[in-house]
Amino acid sequence: DAGVTQSPTHLIKTRGQHVTLRCSPISGHKSVSWYQQVLGQGPQFIFQYYEKEERGRGNFPDRFSARQFPNYSSELNVNALLLGDSALYLCASSSDPLISTEAFFGQGTRLTVV
Amino acid sequence: GQSLEQPSEVTAVEGAIVQINCTYQTSGFYGLSWYQQHDGGAPTFLSYNALDGLEETGRFSSFLSRSDSYGYLLLQELQMKDSASYFCARNRDDKIIFGKGTRLHILP
Repeated sequence: DAGVTQSPTHLIKTRGQHVTLRCSPISGHKSVSWYQQVLGQGPQFIFQYYEKEERGRGNFPDRFSARQFPNYSSELNVNALLLGDSALYLCASSSDPLISTEAFFGQGTRLTVV
Repeated sequence: GQSLEQPSEVTAVEGAIVQINCTYQTSGFYGLSWYQQHDGGAPTFLSYNALDGLEETGRFSSFLSRSDSYGYLLLQELQMKDSASYFCARNRDDKIIFGKGTRLHILP
């Protein structure tokens, strides 16, 4: 069985541009969460989606948005990129975060803003 | 507050035992988790403690004391492949809150 898959694995964008990151959860998982991890820090929560609805949002500006599709895959969008948005973006899936104690992470998308 | 504190780095010798501590300040409690992350890799779940006491999974054990807001991860029979960052984390219904991570260096 495939784990959590994310695309692309790496990308470089220019300040002010827009980026879309994609995530496919483990088959059967209905919840997808997004995290930002800067070098030397722990992952920071951005969004959680469950059954295509936003269930939680972290302390990130409105430039960050996400959605979940009927097949439970998800997109994270970031507008007006800043240099400080350079980070590893991780997607995690779980069956139902209210009852699941374990999150399964993808390998992440390494975003570099220049 | 929802912060978790853990040492930034720990060094140990191959074959030895190492303990990584985590203290937390939270309102409410949903359990303490531990994740391992190798350089360039994804965080991988190691263990979860909902109740006080010790949970053992092979060479790894995790302990929780809710009255002390404290937990630790114990790694035994250290192997070079255990060199990684280890994160304690709190589960909430809509998110996982991670500590800043402890970088474990293992000497041969």
